[in-house]
Amino acid sequence: GAGVSQSPSNKVTEKGKDVELRCDPISGHTALYWYRQRLGQGLEFLIYFQGNSAPDKSGLPSDRFSAERTGESVSTLTIQRTQQEDSAVYLCASSLVPGVPSDTQYFGPGTRLTVL
Amino acid sequence: QKEVEQNSGPLSVPEGAIASLNCTYSDRGSQSFFWYRQYSGKSPELIMSIYSNGDKEDGRFTAQLNKASQYVSLLIRDSQPSDSATYLCAVKCWYRSNDYKLSFGAGTTVTVRA
Repeated sequence: GAGVSQSPSNKVTEKGKDVELRCDPISGHTALYWYRQRLGQGLEFLIYFQGNSAPDKSGLPSDRFSAERTGESVSTLTIQRTQQEDSAVYLCASSLVPGVPSDTQYFGPGTRLTVL
Repeated sequence: QKEVEQNSGPLSVPEGAIASLNCTYSDRGSQSFFWYRQYSGKSPELIMSIYSNGDKEDGRFTAQLNKASQYVSLLIRDSQPSDSATYLCAVKCWYRSNDYKLSFGAGTTVTVRA
């Protein structure tokens, strides 16, 4: 089956505009994660969805960031009123059974966001 | 203190040598440990996972875990130019009922010289 897919692969926007990033997890994976990776930096956790549970939003950097997920399928990360510091690669990952130690996250190709 | 710490490098090794990457973590409750490889401009891909103390070997890669010292390492034997990448250490610990958090280090950049 297909891996995690993300769209668009690249997004250039002007400061102050809203953007939507999409993630399609591996079929059957119950958990979905969003990360941000700034140039030359490590992965910064943003938000985590698990089944029908309330999402863990503890990593969202500000109220300009929000995310939704429909059931166990597609997720959308929305950034409102983008700022230049939002420029980064946004990575999505999914995993099958997050409640077991051996559960592994598989990453999508990422969306490179550039805010001018 | 960061939850997961790695030397940022760059670590430069000659082709055929052993590359040794180190990672320390702060949460003693951590249960699972992963090494991801990330080529420039690409997404991370899992190369090794380890859950118990000791060594785990997979091809040219060996992961070593010492929970008492809160230390995990990755050895790359017979390093090849294709091993040139950033290696991310990730540590999983339980943080609420039936749930966990995966924390990543900043990564160590490895360059294998031909």
